[in-house]
Amino acid sequence: ETGVTQTPRHLVMGMTNKKSLKCEQHLGHNAMYWYKQSAKKPLELMFVYSLEERVENNSVPSRFSPECPNSSHLFLHLHTLQPEDSALYLCASSPQGTYWTEAFFGQGTRLTVV
Amino acid sequence: AQKVTQAQTEISVVEKEDVTLDCVYETRDTTYYLFWYKQPPSGELVFLIRRNSFDEQNEISGRYSWNFQKSTSSFNFTITASQVVDSAVYFCALREAAGNKLTFGGGTRVLVKP
Repeated sequence: ETGVTQTPRHLVMGMTNKKSLKCEQHLGHNAMYWYKQSAKKPLELMFVYSLEERVENNSVPSRFSPECPNSSHLFLHLHTLQPEDSALYLCASSPQGTYWTEAFFGQGTRLTVV
Repeated sequence: AQKVTQAQTEISVVEKEDVTLDCVYETRDTTYYLFWYKQPPSGELVFLIRRNSFDEQNEISGRYSWNFQKSTSSFNFTITASQVVDSAVYFCALREAAGNKLTFGGGTRVLVKP
């Protein structure tokens, strides 16, 4: 248990569906991240939120829409996805402004787009 | 831009053998931190060790040890007397002091056979 919880753990969705991934942390951190892990690519940073403000968006397609309503929760809203979006989506958190601190990761959501 | 390279994609050993994982990084920043994470089949990234850019003293923690050489931009990680439970994917990561971004290498899959 790292203190970062992701739900659901597994998700299968059609290309026309709309779904959301949820991440919750109880560590008092105020920076949160979404990473994508595909089978043939390294971990890709998608979004970074710091103090509930998006500070980084790594050229992610608009069919992925993040939301950070407060420092403990992070969502990734999905719509009209493509099969190549199938991957493990990992959420992480860390204290803001402390580059020496490791990020804590959730167990991920395994997404399959059919 | 920061970059992390793990040249070994997969290593297979027999239990009790030592395993050394290579990591080479690139950064323009003089202040940064390096990390090693383990990803077991469950998917969660587990923090193992960290080292800052100003401390080249190598250490041992239990069965883990690391060799940080700034001159060659390398941060290698060794598991001594490997066990089957060490089977996982291991990631090297870099975070610069200036930002929130944690950049990962491509990972090395370690398979420890009984």
